[in-house]
Amino acid sequence: DAGITQSPRYKITETGRQVTLMCHQTWSHSYMFWYRQDLGHGLRLIYYSAAADITDKGEVPDGYVVSRSKTENFPLTLESATRSQTSVYFCASSEAGTANTQYFGPGTRLTVL
Amino acid sequence: AQSVAQPEDQVNVAEGNPLTVKCTYSVSGNPYLFWYVQYPNRGLQFLLKYITGDNLVKGSYGFEAEFNKSQTSFHLKKPSALVSDSALYFCAVRDIIMGSYIPTFGRGTSLIVHP
Repeated sequence: DAGITQSPRYKITETGRQVTLMCHQTWSHSYMFWYRQDLGHGLRLIYYSAAADITDKGEVPDGYVVSRSKTENFPLTLESATRSQTSVYFCASSEAGTANTQYFGPGTRLTVL
Repeated sequence: AQSVAQPEDQVNVAEGNPLTVKCTYSVSGNPYLFWYVQYPNRGLQFLLKYITGDNLVKGSYGFEAEFNKSQTSFHLKKPSALVSDSALYFCAVRDIIMGSYIPTFGRGTSLIVHP
């Protein structure tokens, strides 16, 4: 299917476990982003990528790792999950160009017990 | 630096009445401005954007927004609200001079339209 997809949609894990959230887009957009959404904080940028093999930190990168070996995929890994990482995670993509719109995935609701 | 503020956490309006969701911004130069909507358990969806030209921008679902440079505002409006417009609305800004590909989002405004 065309668009931007995230998997899994829901995930429950335990403190200390490694978790990987997947993001896939079919538009060949240059830019991809990971956000977390928490009540009272709005959207906070975790990491972003300008192209394959180019990633950079956002506002709240601690505890997260990203990679981008292919243009269409941008996985987010929590190396050792903590309860404070319980959140809803959104992936987004956009074409290069500052005026371009971001397109968001449906989100992954992660609960860390 | 670029920043955006949505001064209201929640806006309540009766169905059929006009609605306004406020957004103000701060940039070094000229802004690109965006509005997104988020329905429950969904990702953000693009509504409209201002790049240049006409200060009144028309978007999806009957929404429009007015760019006001002197007041550094980009308020979202709709002439007649629907119950189905109830959602979370986000304003976002990018600074043209800074050439930023990374938008800054407001904290969101919850719009509740009462029947």
